[in-house]
Amino acid sequence: GAGVSQSPSNKVTEKGKDVELRCDPISGHTALYWYRQSLGQGLEFLIYFQGNSAPDKSGLPSDRFSAERTGGSVSTLTIQRTQQEDSAVYLCASSLGGAGFSTNEQFFGPGTRLTVL
Amino acid sequence: QKEVEQDPGPLSVPEGAIVSLNCTYSNSAFQYFMWYRQYSRKGPELLMYTYSSGNKEDGRFTAQVDKSSKYISLFIRDSQPSDSATYLCAMRPSGTYKYIFGTGTRLKVLA
Repeated sequence: GAGVSQSPSNKVTEKGKDVELRCDPISGHTALYWYRQSLGQGLEFLIYFQGNSAPDKSGLPSDRFSAERTGGSVSTLTIQRTQQEDSAVYLCASSLGGAGFSTNEQFFGPGTRLTVL
Repeated sequence: QKEVEQDPGPLSVPEGAIVSLNCTYSNSAFQYFMWYRQYSRKGPELLMYTYSSGNKEDGRFTAQVDKSSKYISLFIRDSQPSDSATYLCAMRPSGTYKYIFGTGTRLKVLA
């Protein structure tokens, strides 16, 4: 079946512009994660959605970052007034469930490579 | 100090060598340990997972957890050029959903 898809695969923008990154999780997966991966850094947790529960936004680095998940499926990560330090690969992952699942394997999308000039 | 430490490499080995990749961690509450493989410009894919301590083997891959030393390892036997990738460790406590990832070790297997 289809895996996690993300769009666009690459995005180049100018400093100060807003960008929207999209994630289509695997059908039936109730949990969705956003991560940021910068060169030489590990995956940095940004936000977590689980079903209809309030999202865990504790990893969002500033109020310029926001995310929503519509209908428990597609998610959009929005970065307003982009800065050069926002340049990174943004990865989305989905999994079957939350903390109650023993392995809670995350399936990752290919990522969106964001470059802010 | 980071919660999870991983040598970034790169680690270069000849084809057929045994590779040892390692992570150390500081949080004794971690219970679930994962190894992901990430090819260039792709998302990470789960290779192995282990719960608590012990060894787990899957084909050419063996995952080892030593909770007393807060140290996990991934061994790759008979390494192949197709194993060239970045290997990320990830871990989390029981009952949570938040994974902590290492920075990844870049592995190059030379033909």
